[in-house]
Parts: sequence; C-alpha cells; structure tokens
Amino acid sequence: EAQVTQNPRYLITVTGKKLTVTCSQNMNHEYMSWYRQDPGLGLRQIYYSMNVEVTDKGDVPEGYKVSRKEKRNFPLILESPSPNQTSLYFCASSLSQGFDGYTFGSGTRLTVV
Amino acid sequence: GDSVTQMEGPVTLSEEAFLTINCTYTATGYPSLFWYVQYPGEGLQLLLKATKADDKGSNKGFEATYRKETTSFHLEKGSVQVSDSAVYFCALSDRGYQKVTFGTGTKLQVIP
Repeated sequence: EAQVTQNPRYLITVTGKKLTVTCSQNMNHEYMSWYRQDPGLGLRQIYYSMNVEVTDKGDVPEGYKVSRKEKRNFPLILESPSPNQTSLYFCASSLSQGFDGYTFGSGTRLTVV
Repeated sequence: GDSVTQMEGPVTLSEEAFLTINCTYTATGYPSLFWYVQYPGEGLQLLLKATKADDKGSNKGFEATYRKETTSFHLEKGSVQVSDSAVYFCALSDRGYQKVTFGTGTKLQVIP
C-alpha cells in the first residue's frame, strides 16, 4: 500500500530534550515536506526537500532541522524543543513540487512541557 | 506572496443539504488548486484538484471549478452525508514559488 509513515503518533517530552520524528514513504517520491498544524493557523510549512541532499526552509523553520540522506526518509529533528513547538506535525510527499497533490502521513501530536 | 482565504467555520448542515465552502486565492503565477479533507484523528487526503482555468475537479460527489476571473475555487456537494463531517482545506501550488500554500481550513458538521 502506498503510504507515508510517521512515528511516533504521540509524544510528550520536556523542554530541551532532543527528539526526532521519523517520516518514510514507499512511493519513490522526490518531494517531501514537513508541516505543522495549529488552530486558526492552518498548515504552515517547516522544511521541504526536492531530492536527496536537497533541503530548504519553509515558512517556519526556526527551531527545526531536517536531513534527506535517502529518498524515502525525511526525519524532522528538534534539537532543543520548547513549549511553542507543541503542535500537530505532518509529513507529506509528492512526485513533484506539490503539483500532483500531496500524500500525507497520519500526523504526530507533540507536546513539550 | 501567495495566499488562500477560506470561509470561517464551523459549517453545520442537515443531512442531504447542499454544501458550498468558499475559497479564494492570490497568486502571481498560474497555480494548481486543490481541496483536501481531514477526518478526525487522521492526516489530510487529497479530495480533488484542478490545474488550469475552467477545469472542474470532482470526486466522491464533491466538485470545484477553477475560476481565474474571480480567483476562486469553491467546493460544492449536492447532498451531504454525516460521513462528510470533516475539516476541508483549500490549497494552491505555485510553480514559481515551488511550494504549496494552505488555507486555514473549514470544519463541516453534518447532523442527521
């Protein structure tokens, strides 16, 4: 089944403790992206990657890092999480730059206390 | 920059009512337009899309027409069901900016 898999689904952590949210797709998509979803703000792009070793900032990149060492994986790293990063995170992939529409993961609900 | 404006929700309808969710956009290029649906506890799913002016996207009884003259992409369905209750997002993809811009979402609640 074609899908984007995120882990974990839920995570509660403390301020400053490094964490990684994994994202993997099995569709050989070139384009991958991370979004955060907050009430009243919709989805905001954090980072995106157009191919292996090619990443760029989205609208809200501060406090986040990404890497794209393999085509299928695009982990999101929070080096020192803060409470304002409490949010619902989605990974998405597409054959190209979103023109065909995204396939989204099921989301990761992160709480930073 | 690009932007997408959706009508604020929540929208509450009775089963079998007609649905319209308004969406207008601002873009400098010639964007592709999308509607996504998010069911409770799930990720977004692509509902329909249109890539050029006057195109009509359709899926599962939902339709939207790309109107360049009014910069709109309103979502419609003739008869909603309880199972259509979800949050609907309008989005655009602008080739020039190589990104996808989402609206803030409209929550639809359909009551029996």
